[in-house]
Amino acid sequence: ELKVEQNPLFLSMQEGKNYTIYCNYSTTSDRLYWYRQDPGKSLESLFVLLSNGAVKQEGRLMASLDTKARLSTLHITAAVHDLSATYFCAVDMYTGNQFYFGTGTSLTVIP
Amino acid sequence: NAGVTQTPKFQVLKTGQSMTLQCAQDMNHEYMSWYRQDPGMGLRLIHYSVGAGITDQGEVPNGYNVSRSTTEDFPLRLLSAAPSQTSVYFCASSYSNRGYYGYTFGSGTRLTVV
Repeated sequence: ELKVEQNPLFLSMQEGKNYTIYCNYSTTSDRLYWYRQDPGKSLESLFVLLSNGAVKQEGRLMASLDTKARLSTLHITAAVHDLSATYFCAVDMYTGNQFYFGTGTSLTVIP
Repeated sequence: NAGVTQTPKFQVLKTGQSMTLQCAQDMNHEYMSWYRQDPGMGLRLIHYSVGAGITDQGEVPNGYNVSRSTTEDFPLRLLSAAPSQTSVYFCASSYSNRGYYGYTFGSGTRLTVV
């Protein structure tokens, strides 16, 4: 069974600061996904990373994937309050059909 | 384009009752799945389907049944509700089962079993 670990689980950061969320997974996979969830809402797709070394950026968020280290990072640059949400990474098995989520990182950006 | 539609949004059941959570998508996606979300545990896969007539179990299938008679619909049935099934349930769909384009999630069903 694939295990996906995120850290930190909770993150409180000041506006304007930078920070990184880490996602480690336990077995071989070549694709990783990042989602955002606002309280009481559904999940919104942020990034789909499909190969080793993939890097994608959208606004103040940048995601990267290192399949050799089984690690993905979500970097936040100059945080703003609107980024407050829970962020999930998810990985699927090489065999397909099984999609495993991390426990999520609850981000609060403080003015 | 409605995307993934889940009904109902909220439901309270008594222990032992049965019910069906509905999920429909209008994107002609082959792959559909059901997840439950519990605090501190992320989302866990209950059942999934790679096409009409084909279903399989995920991580936590016990107490749930599914069927896929059409491409559009993928209902989740709770056979005899238990308090441990209190959770938020999400349906998701994708063009391919390896999610090249990511997964689209429904808005969720918040279920309470008393």
